[in-house]
Amino acid sequence: DGGITQSPKYLFRKEGQNVTLSCEQNLNHDAMYWYRQDPGQGLRLIYYSQIVNDFQKGDIAEGYSVSREKKESFPLTVTSAQKNPTAFYLCASTSGVDGEKLFFGSGTQLSVL
Amino acid sequence: GQQLNQSPQSMFIQEGEDVSMNCTSSSIFNTWLWYKQDPGEGPVLLIALYKAGELTSNGRLTAQFGITRKDSFLNISASIPSDVGIYFCAGRDSGTYKYIFGTGTRLKVLA
Repeated sequence: DGGITQSPKYLFRKEGQNVTLSCEQNLNHDAMYWYRQDPGQGLRLIYYSQIVNDFQKGDIAEGYSVSREKKESFPLTVTSAQKNPTAFYLCASTSGVDGEKLFFGSGTQLSVL
Repeated sequence: GQQLNQSPQSMFIQEGEDVSMNCTSSSIFNTWLWYKQDPGEGPVLLIALYKAGELTSNGRLTAQFGITRKDSFLNISASIPSDVGIYFCAGRDSGTYKYIFGTGTRLKVLA
């Protein structure tokens, strides 16, 4: 099946720990995105990448890092510098071939122990 | 960070009623997207709009791309209980690959 796979579904972080959220897509999409969603809130852009080996900061990039070494993968690391990491994290991807439709994975819920 | 103004924030409606919600931006967008999100899941794309004035339907859902390119509207006709959820609009920033999201409309349908 074609789609976007996020793992794990639930993740727990200890104080001072870095954690990495996985996002893999087999849609051959060029652009990939990470959004953060807080309870009862909308989606805020953390980072996005239009092509391999290139990425740009979104509106709330502080305390996060990303890499784009492969077209199909866009992992997000939540660093210890992010003091309020508890949130629902959503990965998305798009291609101009699909008429600029943005598709989402099923999300990762990150909580602090 | 930038977020789109979406209204209403929440609404309770009776089953069978029609629903309208809208989204406005201070910026011009080339693309408007509408999503539905269930709790603990990723948003699911409902309708995509690409031209000013465009009107597109998907079953009981109809959405329009505003002629000013700064707003969009979603209508749901004859609502049913499974329409419950959060509806988000999103616009693609002109000239970039950034998609900006609205604050969401929480819909509850009373049987």
